[in-house]
Amino acid sequence: QVQLVQSGAELKQPGASVKVSCKVSGSILNELSVHWVRQAPGKGLEWLGGFDPEHGEAVYAQKFQGSVTLTVDTSTDTSYMELSSLRSDDTAVYFCAMSHLGLLPPYFDYWGQGSLVTVSS
Amino acid sequence: EIVLTQSPATLSLSPGERATLSCRASESISTFLGWYQQKPGQAPRLLIYDASIRATGIPARFSGSGSGTDFTLTISSLEPEDFAVYYCQQRSNWPPLTFGGGTKLEIK
Repeated sequence: QVQLVQSGAELKQPGASVKVSCKVSGSILNELSVHWVRQAPGKGLEWLGGFDPEHGEAVYAQKFQGSVTLTVDTSTDTSYMELSSLRSDDTAVYFCAMSHLGLLPPYFDYWGQGSLVTVSS
Repeated sequence: EIVLTQSPATLSLSPGERATLSCRASESISTFLGWYQQKPGQAPRLLIYDASIRATGIPARFSGSGSGTDFTLTISSLEPEDFAVYYCQQRSNWPPLTFGGGTKLEIK
């Protein structure tokens, strides 16, 4: 049973950084690709980036290139998403997601519970 | 970047009725399209992938069709638990992976 458990809610000031964690259990993280999707209040889903296992590196949406950094700690099966230079429009629920379908690029059949990041002074 | 446009934005139907949701891609994506269901306060749930393959545990009343630029999610007979927001997602050309803007299926 694959489970993704994310860190808790964060309140950050504009200009700060936030790091959200996603611990994977029931699967072997280094064989799979964790991605990050966000959802602003009342809005749709937006893909930030994820790991491309074919090339062994993170890939990002152009909009987030330079502001989002994805890392993985395989010793703890935990993936991290760090977003820097926060603005008020970064206020959103951030989801980690992964696929067990064996397709690349992926769809996401496993999701974390979401982490609310609020950016406010 | 491939843009996905979903229609209608809101669909009002009654339990037992048939629902037809549309997703149109800005360029051909073959059959590399998935559908998700999201209920308030929950993460999305994968329903359909590669246009027509039901994900594990998804009831048979959910079906997907289409190829190229035009795709449809059909719910044959609505159950009360089906009222939610539905998103499509393409994996044809990345990065980025992109989602449609969503269709809210509400009870009439």
